[in-house]
Amino acid sequence: NAGVTQTPKFRILKIGQSMTLQCTQDMNHNYMYWYRQDPGMGLKLIYYSVGAGITDKGEVPNGYNVSRSTTEDFPLRLELAAPSQTSVYFCASSHRARIDTGELFFGEGSRLTVL
Amino acid sequence: GNSVTQMEGPVTLSEEAFLTINCTYTATGYPSLFWYVQYPGEGLQLLLKATKADDKGSNKGFEATYRKETTSFHLEKGSVQVSDSAVYFCALATGNQFYFGTGTSLTVIP
Repeated sequence: NAGVTQTPKFRILKIGQSMTLQCTQDMNHNYMYWYRQDPGMGLKLIYYSVGAGITDKGEVPNGYNVSRSTTEDFPLRLELAAPSQTSVYFCASSHRARIDTGELFFGEGSRLTVL
Repeated sequence: GNSVTQMEGPVTLSEEAFLTINCTYTATGYPSLFWYVQYPGEGLQLLLKATKADDKGSNKGFEATYRKETTSFHLEKGSVQVSDSAVYFCALATGNQFYFGTGTSLTVIP
């Protein structure tokens, strides 16, 4: 039972490059989220999705894009990487019926450095 | 708006000491409240939850009570172990979103 799988685990980018962080879940969850975690800070919501074909901005969406073509996948695209996007990125998912019970399942994180 | 404020760390305790990590929240409506734990190199895991006022969440010796009158959800443990060393996040959920505090790092020394 894989849960939430993120790839890659580590990546170094040069300023201006683009990349996609992949996130897949095998629990048939409707809700999926992308967070970033900066040192000494809490998690900031980038984008979220309540189902295939539906996405919405979170607190810090600038510089990112997402898509949700299937229930399982929720990739995060970074366009024109900037040093301010150096962070650890977490993908998470939850089932619609349990959204208020806190059963948010996290991936192991993707550490991105932009130089 | 919705937000969570939790005690700043880091916190260092000796094994078997009593732990309290304070958490207060601001929310519209009636949120559910949670504590998550993050071990080094891992994602967050749900530790305990409370979905309505006066509920007490508990797990692995940790407890927290949903106090609507003080808008608080403080985490406590009577006797910490070295294995409890981790970062603890207070969070609330309302609507489609979760809101997290900044996290409190706990180190337990033998």
